[in-house]
Amino acid sequence: GENVEQHPSTLSVQEGDSAVIKCTYSDSASNYFPWYKQELGKRPQLIIDIRSNVGEKKDQRIAVTLNKTAKHFSLHITETQPEDSAVYFCAAADSNGGSQGNLIFGKGTKLSVKP
Amino acid sequence: DGGITQSPKYLFRKEGQNVTLSCEQNLNHDAMYWYRQDPGQGLRLIYYSQIVNDFQKGDIAEGYSVSREKKESFPLTVTSAQKNPTAFYLCATGTGMNTIYFGEGSWLTVV
Repeated sequence: GENVEQHPSTLSVQEGDSAVIKCTYSDSASNYFPWYKQELGKRPQLIIDIRSNVGEKKDQRIAVTLNKTAKHFSLHITETQPEDSAVYFCAAADSNGGSQGNLIFGKGTKLSVKP
Repeated sequence: DGGITQSPKYLFRKEGQNVTLSCEQNLNHDAMYWYRQDPGQGLRLIYYSQIVNDFQKGDIAEGYSVSREKKESFPLTVTSAQKNPTAFYLCATGTGMNTIYFGEGSWLTVV
């Protein structure tokens, strides 16, 4: 089955700097890659996702890149702000259905943005 | 999101007791999921259901049971067979295109 590795487990940056979180996956059939942000004590919320027919997707200060050959994808946050501090989870799934269609999550990255 | 309601928010269980966590949705989503979250362990799938009256085991189903009698409801029972149930439990729904949305979560503590 799918296995998703996420690095680093913790990341500390200065306000205004960029942050990059990387994930690798094992199942070449996976074709959907979302990122979730979870603030302390709250539910994970979808912030951006990408499907395998594109290599990059941007939404304001957030971008995700996908390299299907290498089986890795990354979250990029530019001009970080203190409110970006949270745990970020990557996930992967095969959208062609069945049990393989379920999301498999990485273990999370705790991002701290220092003012 | 706002259309997924989990209750109770906090629950305490004594050793040997079964407890049931409620999950209700008004998003008209076919798929519903239960995840368990432990510190440093990410999100692990307990059970999922793609359609009413049908559900499947996830990666850590032992000690848990579910039912899906209505499209809107997917309750999770944590049985006494689950030896380490203290965790944050998240219910989620999906449209069938992989994107899922989480409820607010329920904290379960064994006392």
